[in-house]
Amino acid sequence: GENVEQHPSTLSVQEGDSAVIKCTYSDSASNYFPWYKQELGKGPQLIIDIRSNVGEKKDQRIAVTLNKTAKHFSLHITETQPEDSAVYFCAASPNRGSTLGRLYFGRGTQLTVWP
Amino acid sequence: DTAVSQTPKYLVTQMGNDKSIKCEQNLGHDTMYWYKQDSKKFLKIMFSYNNKELIINETVPNRFSPKSPDKAHLNLHINSLELGDSAVYFCASSQDRGPGNTIYFGEGSWLTVV
Repeated sequence: GENVEQHPSTLSVQEGDSAVIKCTYSDSASNYFPWYKQELGKGPQLIIDIRSNVGEKKDQRIAVTLNKTAKHFSLHITETQPEDSAVYFCAASPNRGSTLGRLYFGRGTQLTVWP
Repeated sequence: DTAVSQTPKYLVTQMGNDKSIKCEQNLGHDTMYWYKQDSKKFLKIMFSYNNKELIINETVPNRFSPKSPDKAHLNLHINSLELGDSAVYFCASSQDRGPGNTIYFGEGSWLTVV
């Protein structure tokens, strides 16, 4: 099945700085890559996603890039704020047979933004 | 107004007991899921139902049995609870099963087995 690696596992930045989280995937059949934010005591919430026919997508301070050839995708958060502090998960979803509809998650990045 | 709601939020129980977690979604979605998040925050799918039909059944002990009485509900029953079952269980739903369908998660059910 799909294997998603995520780095770093922890990330501390100063308020206003940028944060970058990187993920790689193994299954070339993966064509959908969402990013989820999980705040303490809550369920994961989708913050942005990208499909394999697009190389970059931006939504205000958040952007995601995808390199299909290298099988990696990244989350970029600019002008970070303390409320961005949370665990961020990348995921990949293969469009193939028995793996259809599954989300394979990375192991998460604990982002801490210091005021 | 909660889109995906699950109960109970917290559950502490003894080894060997049987317990259930209930889930309901009011989004009109066809597909529902159960995910397990372990102590290291790793999220892994357990089951998925599409229109009440089981479509994903990961390598999960058969002590875990999902039940979908209708497409808005997916309950999880766990028999003979073990210490290793302690985790956060998330119910989720999506419009359909294909990739690209946003998956919406509930708030989680914290299960502690003592």
